[in-house]
Amino acid sequence: DAGITQSPRHKVTETGTPVTLRCHQTENHRYMYWYRQDPGHGLRLIHYSYGVKDTDKGEVSDGYSVSRSKTEDFLLTLESATSSQTSVYFCAIRGGGNNEQFFGPGTRLTVL
Amino acid sequence: GENVEQHPSTLSVQEGDSAVIKCTYSDSASNYFPWYKQELGKGPQLIIDIRSNVGEKKDQRIAVTLNKTAKHFSLHITETQPEDSAVYFCAASVTGANSKLTFGKGITLSVRP
Repeated sequence: DAGITQSPRHKVTETGTPVTLRCHQTENHRYMYWYRQDPGHGLRLIHYSYGVKDTDKGEVSDGYSVSRSKTEDFLLTLESATSSQTSVYFCAIRGGGNNEQFFGPGTRLTVL
Repeated sequence: GENVEQHPSTLSVQEGDSAVIKCTYSDSASNYFPWYKQELGKGPQLIIDIRSNVGEKKDQRIAVTLNKTAKHFSLHITETQPEDSAVYFCAASVTGANSKLTFGKGITLSVRP
């Protein structure tokens, strides 16, 4: 499982509230990614990080921010959640010197 | 940017038969092509990948082929089993420092016992 955990695994929240999802890795990988998965859209990249305090936007970054203050943790924040952000969120790490990405178990977020 | 298309969107096969899932990509610079399997309620799992310097790669019952000229690559599963039933995603990227994967929309494979 590449030593990746995500928390919480499930969350229900209301429109307009802030939400933070956490991704934690135990193997000191440099690259970390946040994706969302929606029916009919596959996996779409939200943000990624290439080192501590180094992040960049992905394909669907509007409404999301990220932070990485230490190698093992990559946080995804929805400043003011909207119903369109109801989704399953996956974190991934990129292993070693190759391009392989390994995914965490996911967080199911429901915004009412 | 890269665009990855996956077809068909669903596939049903009889146990023991072979299954072939095809993907096309648009960026001729892409040189890394992984396949992921996702079971219900779990994260995608990397099952096989191929780089542009080879045309085929096998791992037991699964294989991937790549045609760079036509910009398509395929996943082949032989002797399918019920546990092969899952959603399969293909992806493509250009290798490098800030490499990013672009995924297809996924295909649901059902293996009928």
